[in-house]
Amino acid sequence: DGGITQSPKYLFRKEGQNVTLSCEQNLNHDAMYWYRQDPGQGLRLIYYSQIVNDFQKGDIAEGYSVSREKKESFPLTVTSAQKNPTAFYLCASRAGASGYNNEQFFGPGTRLTVL
Amino acid sequence: AQSVAQPEDQVNVAEGNPLTVKCTYSVSGNPYLFWYVQYPNRGLQFLLKYITGDNLVKGSYGFEAEFNKSQTSFHLKKPSALVSDSALYFCAVRSTGGGNKLTFGTGTQLKVEL
Repeated sequence: DGGITQSPKYLFRKEGQNVTLSCEQNLNHDAMYWYRQDPGQGLRLIYYSQIVNDFQKGDIAEGYSVSREKKESFPLTVTSAQKNPTAFYLCASRAGASGYNNEQFFGPGTRLTVL
Repeated sequence: AQSVAQPEDQVNVAEGNPLTVKCTYSVSGNPYLFWYVQYPNRGLQFLLKYITGDNLVKGSYGFEAEFNKSQTSFHLKKPSALVSDSALYFCAVRSTGGGNKLTFGTGTQLKVEL
């Protein structure tokens, strides 16, 4: 899983609570990504950031929020507005500016369960 | 718009036999294609990528993939499968827009049996 850490590994949330998933990388990568993985659906992009203090919505951003105050950190908040948050969440990073064809490196993931 | 199709949810193969995991894509312009592997409850690991050049790409753990532009395919192959290759495999295609957004297929579960 390279130099990307995600915490916690498992997270349980009660309905109506916001929770924040941590993602840290020490690879000095410019871009960072959050994906959601559900069985049989592959990975779907939630948010991504190419530089500090800038981020864009992905395909399923509703009910989520992010920040990118530091190059190495890209936390994801799952808000109470996300109606079906139980999933496996993956963070990734990539070297180089937009247009480079470098591969993304993934963290080990956080499994979020709503009780 | 871009998309990736992995037509097989599961592939079963005997150890020592060759394996193929299929992937077809649709993208505007030139495709940039990737294969990743995922073991249970883990993140994705990069296997190989096609950007340009030789249509046969070699990657990690003895895997290779063949880019076929006319068939818009990028099938993953290995000459001799190992039980330890059993995992979930994802094909992905890069966006031609900004952000290097990847679109992933739904994944193919590979099961290698003794």
